[in-house]
Amino acid sequence: EAQVTQNPRYLITVTGKKLTVTCSQNMNHEYMSWYRQDPGLGLRQIYYSMNVEVTDKGDVPEGYKVSRKEKRNFPLILESPSPNQTSLYFCASRQGLAGYNEQFFGPGTRLTVL
Amino acid sequence: RKEVEQDPGPFNVPEGATVAFNCTYSNSASQSFFWYRQDCRKEPKLLMSVYSSGNEDGRFTAQLNRASQYISLLIRDSKLSDSATYLCVVPNNAGNMLTFGGGTRLMVKP
Repeated sequence: EAQVTQNPRYLITVTGKKLTVTCSQNMNHEYMSWYRQDPGLGLRQIYYSMNVEVTDKGDVPEGYKVSRKEKRNFPLILESPSPNQTSLYFCASRQGLAGYNEQFFGPGTRLTVL
Repeated sequence: RKEVEQDPGPFNVPEGATVAFNCTYSNSASQSFFWYRQDCRKEPKLLMSVYSSGNEDGRFTAQLNRASQYISLLIRDSKLSDSATYLCVVPNNAGNMLTFGGGTRLMVKP
């Protein structure tokens, strides 16, 4: 089944404790991205990657890092999480940049930073 | 003006009703647009793409008005299962970033 998977689905952590949210897709997509969704602010793009070893900042990259060492994986790293990073995070992928390419989302990771 | 703007709703409609949402966008050079559906606490899923003047898929019709810079989504014969939040999405010119509207919440009642 074609899908985007994320782990963990739920995470409660404390300020300053490094964490990684994994994202993997099995569709051989070139493009992957991370979003956060907050009430009243909608979905905002954190980082994106157009291919292996190519990553770029989105609208809200502060406090996050990503890497793209393999085509299928695009982990999101929070080196020192803070309470304002409490949010619902979605990973997504699509084949390329062309407008007709559907973007597929993972099931989401709900992060709480205390 | 926000890049992509939607009325948050909620739109409360009875089953069988026709309902329409609008989405306004600020980038006049945008070429393609999308409507995504998001159920509560779930991931967004593509509903429709809009490239030219519009697109129709069953009970759903999306229309584009470039002069006024808005796209609309029309749902005919609403079903209970249509209850969800509908997100308007506009790519930037390069296609490497998507801007999401805040979403319009629809609640279809029996």
